[in-house]
Amino acid sequence: ETGVTQSPTHLIKTRGQQVTLRCSSQSGHNTVSWYQQALGQGPQFIFQYYREEENGRGNFPPRFSGLQFPNYSSELNVNALELDDSALYLCASSIGGVSIYEQYFGPGTRLTVT
Amino acid sequence: DQQVKQNSPSLSVQEGRISILNCDYTNSMFDYFLWYKKYPAEGPTFLISISSIKDKNEDGRFTVFLNKSAKHLSLHIVPSQPGDSAVYFCAASAGGSNYKLTFGKGTLLTVNP
Repeated sequence: ETGVTQSPTHLIKTRGQQVTLRCSSQSGHNTVSWYQQALGQGPQFIFQYYREEENGRGNFPPRFSGLQFPNYSSELNVNALELDDSALYLCASSIGGVSIYEQYFGPGTRLTVT
Repeated sequence: DQQVKQNSPSLSVQEGRISILNCDYTNSMFDYFLWYKKYPAEGPTFLISISSIKDKNEDGRFTVFLNKSAKHLSLHIVPSQPGDSAVYFCAASAGGSNYKLTFGKGTLLTVNP
């Protein structure tokens, strides 16, 4: 059974640029959630995708957007990067409608905006 | 407005003793609670969970207790081992359509040999 994987591991971008982060869900999981973890904080919910549709969104502006593909992998896109977007971005997968409470996390992508 | 609070940023315990990590919540709609463990440079790892219809759940050395009237839960680790040293996050879900997790800020547990 393959776990959740994320790429890239680290990324440095300049303010105003755009970034795309990728996530492959755990085998058999059809739901992907994205979280932002700032330094010294717990993960904060950005949004969730279930069967390629957005299924709930946290308190993040529209410049945070996402996609889920037929194989249930997912992308997080952030436009017009700001310094405060520097954080660890975590992807979590789960089985929609069955064990959706337990979400399994990838190792994260560390984004630094300068 | 922090709905899940872990008021102790850190905890230090001797190997073999009990570790007790605490978590308080304010949202009455939360009906499922989870504990995650996080090592540096890794994502959070699911540890144990509890539904609001229970007051205790046990898995090996890990036990979670839920006190709904006090809106409080705790994670007990007995006996503590040096490999348990990590940041522990309490998380809660209100179910609904997306079961999003709301996390506390975490508690750094250090188990000393």
